Amino acid sequence: IAGITQAPTSQILAAGRRMTLRCTQDMRHNAMYWYRQDLGLGLRLIHYSNTAGTTGKGEVPDGYSVSRANTDDFPLTLASAVPSQTSVYFCASSGTAGTGELFFGEGSRLTVL
Amino acid sequence: GESVGLHLPTLSVQEGDNSIINCAYSNSASDYFIWYKQESGKGPQFIIDIRSNMDKRQGQRVTVLLNKTVKHLSLQIAATQPGDSAVYFCAENMGPGGSYIPTFGRGTSLIVHP
Repeated sequence: IAGITQAPTSQILAAGRRMTLRCTQDMRHNAMYWYRQDLGLGLRLIHYSNTAGTTGKGEVPDGYSVSRANTDDFPLTLASAVPSQTSVYFCASSGTAGTGELFFGEGSRLTVL
Repeated sequence: GESVGLHLPTLSVQEGDNSIINCAYSNSASDYFIWYKQESGKGPQFIIDIRSNMDKRQGQRVTVLLNKTVKHLSLQIAATQPGDSAVYFCAENMGPGGSYIPTFGRGTSLIVHP
C-alpha cells in the first residue's frame, strides 16, 4: 500500500530556480494539502484542493502555486525559489474535506541557497 | 505550556508514567479534532480523533478530552513508553476563515526517559 508518495525526498536548490515538488496518492481521496514545517512553527498550510479541478490558498501561499488536474496528483511549484522557502514540505490527503484523518507523505526537504 | 522563539514546548516523563499533552484550538466552529504523532524524519500519523458532540474518547492507551467552552484539547497517554517519544500535534478541521481547512497547533515534543 503506497498511500502518499512525495518526490524528491531531498533537494538543494539555487535561489531563483524553479522547482516542482511532486505528490501522488493512490487512495482516491478527494482532498489534498501542502504544508510546510519549520522548527517551532508547526505545520502551516500552503495550498489545498478539496476536489480535482479546484484549489485554494492556505495560510502561507505566497511564492507557491499548485494544480489539481486529476484526483491522484497535486504538484507544488516554486516559481523562483528564495532562501526563506527552505523547509520540509509535506503533502497530505483526506477522503473528504472537513472530516476524516489526513494521510501524510514522508516529506520533501528543500534547501534554497 | 507555550514557549517563545523556535523551541517547541517539551514534556519530559519517565517510562511508565502517564503523559498529558495540552492544546488550545482557535476556531469555535470547528467540529472535528485529531491528534497526530510525528516521529523524527517522518510525516505525522493519526492517533485518535474526537467530534464536537463528545467530550471524551478513548483508544488503546490514549484518551482525548475536549472542552469546547475554553477551546481546549488534551491527549493523555497511559504508561508512557520510549516509543512514544515524538512530537504531538492537535488539529482542528476549520481554518480562521471558516472553511474546512485542517489547521494544526505548534506541537509538543514528548521525551520519554527509560
